[in-house]
Amino acid sequence: SSELTQAPAVSVALGQTVRITCQGDSLRKYYASWYQQKPGQAPVFVIYGKNNRPSGIPDRFSGSSSGDTVSLIITGAQAEDEAEYYCSSRDSSGSHLVFGGGTKLTVL
Amino acid sequence: QVQLQESGPGLVKPSQTLSLTCTVSGGSVSSESYYWSWLRQPAGKGLEWIGRIHASGSTNYNPSLQSRIALSLDTSKSQFSLNLTSVTAADTAVYYCARLRDNWNVFWFDPWGLGTLVTVSS
Repeated sequence: SSELTQAPAVSVALGQTVRITCQGDSLRKYYASWYQQKPGQAPVFVIYGKNNRPSGIPDRFSGSSSGDTVSLIITGAQAEDEAEYYCSSRDSSGSHLVFGGGTKLTVL
Repeated sequence: QVQLQESGPGLVKPSQTLSLTCTVSGGSVSSESYYWSWLRQPAGKGLEWIGRIHASGSTNYNPSLQSRIALSLDTSKSQFSLNLTSVTAADTAVYYCARLRDNWNVFWFDPWGLGTLVTVSS
């Protein structure tokens, strides 16, 4: 089992806000990064750290962190946001890199 | 703009060694600012980090694969490579290479290669 826990699936109505969470003890010490993956494609980096967005990522994507949980927030979800989302951070030892199991986002 | 491209055999026999190469264009694998990493994803499953290598030669591997992995870097060809020994069907996956920026309390993989499917079968 992964050291980072994500809900397997989440749905959101078009234009509404959705929060995708990732939980793990290491998140009390380390920030996470988030990746979007559409079917048949490589992952795309969307958020890192407390709330930093790489260039080219729409500003409807944001991040937050509290205790052992980090969140990816999509404000005004679009049809093209339908994808699998993965969080990534360090393991409890801090020495190795791990991913959450992924959350499939459906935009209704 | 940095781009990465995986290459290598798409089919490997059980017990043999899986060897993949990632070619980096638009950037230098000699950069002190980045690590170079391999990840994989079995069909229908999540992402798994395999390991990373720095231009200094330092490496760091996933503990679950550590005994079977070796990463190497060829700065003259702007490439880095993965060798995974004693493969089984469980090693069948899409393998990705990616550039890794590690600022200690946060890291990120960007960009990624397109991925290459490796099937382990006799």
